[in-house]
Amino acid sequence: KQEVTQIPAALSVPEGENLVLNCSFTDSAIYNLQWFRQDPGKGLTSLLLIQSSQREQTSGRLNASLDKSSGRSTLYIAASQPGDSATYLCAVRRRTGANNLFFGTGTRLTVIP
Amino acid sequence: GAVVSQHPSRVICKSGTSVKIECRSLDFQATTMFWYRQFPKQSLMLMATSNEGSKATYEQGVEKDKFLINHASLTLSTLTVTSAHPEDSSFYICSVYVQGARGYTFGSGTRLTVV
Repeated sequence: KQEVTQIPAALSVPEGENLVLNCSFTDSAIYNLQWFRQDPGKGLTSLLLIQSSQREQTSGRLNASLDKSSGRSTLYIAASQPGDSATYLCAVRRRTGANNLFFGTGTRLTVIP
Repeated sequence: GAVVSQHPSRVICKSGTSVKIECRSLDFQATTMFWYRQFPKQSLMLMATSNEGSKATYEQGVEKDKFLINHASLTLSTLTVTSAHPEDSSFYICSVYVQGARGYTFGSGTRLTVV
């Protein structure tokens, strides 16, 4: 069974700092990996989607990398802002079987003004 | 594209009553929708996969008679929590998968509180 782990569980940084969120998964036979943002009491907003054949994806201040062989992904946030404060979730979709997502436990990020 | 609308966003009901949650794909047809549940400070857990025109597929441990799923059209799936109890209080959220660059798109979620 696919297990997804995110470290750290919580992170506080001062505004302007660059930061890295980590995600690891146990089964490398994935179809793709997706990073989401969730604000308190809200749904999920997709940030970046990396296909299994890709190494990284970039969108604005966000950069996500994927190392499928080692079962790791990172989300890099440059020049953090208070508006970045949220819970960040990574999720993987398996290559075979049902096409649902397996979610990590999330990293709760607080950017201090 | 790939907008998912979920309604209601918040509902409070009495124990023993039933609550229906709607998930609509606004700008595309979805033959499959996914229903997740999220308890406080925990991640999302898949409850069931909703299939248009056929029975839903439930994950192990999810009671199909308690969580009724109907996917009668290509744009609407509903989740009905029957005979709700306080332990059913949770955040319920639906999603669809869009082939290509978008991946999974989620609704805004429904906060259910059973009193």
